[in-house]
Amino acid sequence: GQQLNQSPQSMFIQEGEDVSMNCTSSSIFNTWLWYKQDPGEGPVLLIALYKAGELTSNGRLTAQFGITRKDSFLNISASIPSDVGIYFCAGQRASGSRLTFGEGTQLTVNP
Amino acid sequence: GAVVSQHPSRVICKSGTSVKIECRSLDFQATTMFWYRQFPKQSLMLMATSNEGSKATYEQGVEKDKFLINHASLTLSTLTVTSAHPEDSSFYICSATEALGNTIYFGEGSWLTVV
Repeated sequence: GQQLNQSPQSMFIQEGEDVSMNCTSSSIFNTWLWYKQDPGEGPVLLIALYKAGELTSNGRLTAQFGITRKDSFLNISASIPSDVGIYFCAGQRASGSRLTFGEGTQLTVNP
Repeated sequence: GAVVSQHPSRVICKSGTSVKIECRSLDFQATTMFWYRQFPKQSLMLMATSNEGSKATYEQGVEKDKFLINHASLTLSTLTVTSAHPEDSSFYICSATEALGNTIYFGEGSWLTVV
């Protein structure tokens, strides 16, 4: 099925650095979601975005819903070792409908 | 907050047998549940959409007779992998959405190994 274009695929950073990742789509989504998945576990919702242009923060995480509704980015500030994991973006067209996932960004944080 | 629970978390079965994975919404009613499959280092791939009281809608390429989905109540959906083969070994994840809610909640996932 369709997937979103998520980049970068992987990142290797030092503890304390900021991180940015983004997702783009050829079609419009009405909701953008960002999840984190630890090995062997299900995805955990980090941030949900419901309006074009919306900028939302959750602690050290900030995400924005692109004005065109075809993209979104996630920033992590002052990274820490427990930020390690795979981050997925997901788009949703209507409330309760299926999610379309990005390919994921593998984040490694070196202490 | 809302919680979706899967059981078992890990299961090993022999080739040719069937195995059932349960997905429960613990504190909300889920009219729709989704079943995903995830291979190592890959994204989640939607297998089917399960609506309470009706037949599941399968994605293209997913065999409905092999991956039986039942959503008999508003809090439980089951995925049965029939006549399992080693290539069915994967991480299976369910998600659920509340009847009038926006948010989709994911289960912890179930590791299936077919030997």
